[in-house]
Amino acid sequence: DQQVKQNSPSLSVQEGRISILNCDYTNSMFDYFLWYKKYPAEGPTFLISISSIKDKNEDGRFTVFLNKSAKHLSLHIVPSQPGDSAVYFCAAREIQGAQKLVFGQGTRLTINP
Amino acid sequence: DVKVTQSSRYLVKRTGEKVFLECVQDMDHENMFWYRQDPGLGLRLIYFSYDVKMKEKGDIPEGYSVSREKKERFSLILESASTNQTSMYLCASSFPDAGELFFGEGSRLTVL
Repeated sequence: DQQVKQNSPSLSVQEGRISILNCDYTNSMFDYFLWYKKYPAEGPTFLISISSIKDKNEDGRFTVFLNKSAKHLSLHIVPSQPGDSAVYFCAAREIQGAQKLVFGQGTRLTINP
Repeated sequence: DVKVTQSSRYLVKRTGEKVFLECVQDMDHENMFWYRQDPGLGLRLIYFSYDVKMKEKGDIPEGYSVSREKKERFSLILESASTNQTSMYLCASSFPDAGELFFGEGSRLTVL
């Protein structure tokens, strides 16, 4: 049972344009959401997060939007740069209990020059 | 600078061998985690630990065990490696109640 889903395995975007990566979740107990970026042969690195009490969080070129009623979040990157080409993972954490993160399947983003 | 170090970046083992994957963090984190990453499946949690000598099963613990004798070190053990354990293994650590996990660079294991 996949509690966090990234339905797009890959996404290709022109440099300078906006990249939008999507993530859906099924568990109502999730209260904190994160995006990680991963380059080949490296570990994931934290990008941006959002608490369930907010609907938007912005950090430079990166903005995460959360729609709790739809159980959906998205990551916007604008403008997209070649160095943004990587695999992006959405992750979520439950309010109580284990402090583990549940990850989605990942989306491979390719920025074309 | 925070650091999670995994002992081996690349390993090749034979079916049936015992495999140890070591992870050390220098951030004094209480929580430590082992995930595996497979194409199309994302990161799946194998085991995690809240404290020394404490361990909890994750989503896919079968075929694995762990050891945490010191706060900074968390080991993943494959008692008898099988070909379906060929994967990228990722160690992570965090403070309690912190959202963010810090990951190591990963250990790519191939079981022949």
